[in-house]
Amino acid sequence: EAGVAQSPRYKIIEKRQSVAFWCNPISGHATLYWYQQILGQGPKLLIQFQNNGVVDDSQLPKDRFSAERLKGVDSTLKIQPAKLEDSAVYLCASSKTGQGRLKDIQYFGAGTRLSVL
Amino acid sequence: EDQVTQSPEALRLQEGESSSLNCSYTVSGLRGLFWYRQDPGKGPEFLFTLYSAGEEKEKERLKATLTKKESFLHITAPKPEDSATYLCAVQEAGNTGKLIFGQGTTLQVKP
Repeated sequence: EAGVAQSPRYKIIEKRQSVAFWCNPISGHATLYWYQQILGQGPKLLIQFQNNGVVDDSQLPKDRFSAERLKGVDSTLKIQPAKLEDSAVYLCASSKTGQGRLKDIQYFGAGTRLSVL
Repeated sequence: EDQVTQSPEALRLQEGESSSLNCSYTVSGLRGLFWYRQDPGKGPEFLFTLYSAGEEKEKERLKATLTKKESFLHITAPKPEDSATYLCAVQEAGNTGKLIFGQGTTLQVKP
């Protein structure tokens, strides 16, 4: 079974530029998450989708960050304009739907490392 | 506010030297506590989920335990390939599934 795919793996931009990240979850996983992991810290949830609807975006800086999940499969996360403090690894995760505890487990992609200069 | 604190931040062990990692948490209602392993340049890899105090899970040299306030990840006779950052996360009861992570413990096992 293929894992969570993310691209690009690395991105270097200057502040005030825009950037986009792409994620394709595990096939059949209806729930998709975007996390931000700053160096030396644990991941922090930015946004959660159930199919193509937003479940939780309470910690997404909406003045500069946006995300979409058209058709309920792959997703893009965009930053516009980027700030120095946005330098981090952006992780995508997905989980199963349905009943039971198996849906609690989140599977992560390798992430996109963003450097804002 | 939900909070997860891991200690120590870094741990160096000799191969074969057993030890434990701690994860203290504060949550209004715990649905589950998760342990993940993260290697450099990779995403977190799922290890265990614990749901109730007294529960234990084992996988090879790793054993996770849970109390009402903390979880321990015991590493028995570690090998260099166990070197990684170990992340603890809690999921609040009744919430959307969001994981709240600690800052991680970076383990280095020397041969």
